[in-house]
Amino acid sequence: GAGVSQSPSNKVTEKGKDVELRCDPISGHTALYWYRQSLGQGLEFLIYFQGNSAPDKSGLPSDRFSAERTGGSVSTLTIQRTQQEDSAVYLCASSWNSGGTEAFFGQGTRLTVV
Amino acid sequence: GENVEQHPSTLSVQEGDSAVIKCTYSDSASNYFPWYKQELGKRPQLIIDIRSNVGEKKDQRIAVTLNKTAKHFSLHITETQPEDSAVYFCAASVPGGGADGLTFGKGTHLIIQP
Repeated sequence: GAGVSQSPSNKVTEKGKDVELRCDPISGHTALYWYRQSLGQGLEFLIYFQGNSAPDKSGLPSDRFSAERTGGSVSTLTIQRTQQEDSAVYLCASSWNSGGTEAFFGQGTRLTVV
Repeated sequence: GENVEQHPSTLSVQEGDSAVIKCTYSDSASNYFPWYKQELGKRPQLIIDIRSNVGEKKDQRIAVTLNKTAKHFSLHITETQPEDSAVYFCAASVPGGGADGLTFGKGTHLIIQP
């Protein structure tokens, strides 16, 4: 079916508000990654899910960031009390397994905090 | 965990010339090395990958080489064309490696000069 889908594609929010970003991985993909990409920069790892296992949160930049993955499928990334430095493109990727297989990226959510 | 270094950060070549991007990795358990191309405003997409049981792989104008002993791998683009202008990311993948299942380099901005 379809590839990795992210929503919304664009989000403008006021500083201090909470936002939720959604990722629908490819069906059957057990591994799911969230990355943050600031303008002209590389892919900053945020969090990793493998099936129903506890996530690897080692890349989350602060406790304002959290993510969950329900039923081993859809994932949401939540940013509380947004700051201007949170402005970036948030990319989700999924793969068939953990390591050794192609990862497919969503189109990203462009978050702008004003 | 795995660490991937990528050089150069920016590469400018004349149209028709060749371009080479180099990456090194730290974890000898890595056995899958994909390369992603990200055009402006778009998602990263896989262009070529190589596994540790081969030393070189070609696909038309692009090729990837791998030196397991030295733990480095390179992307070669020949007869460059304007549509090759993009950011290229290398990655190293540890099988079953959790978040280390996919570790990216910081990217190379390739500019093709007409």
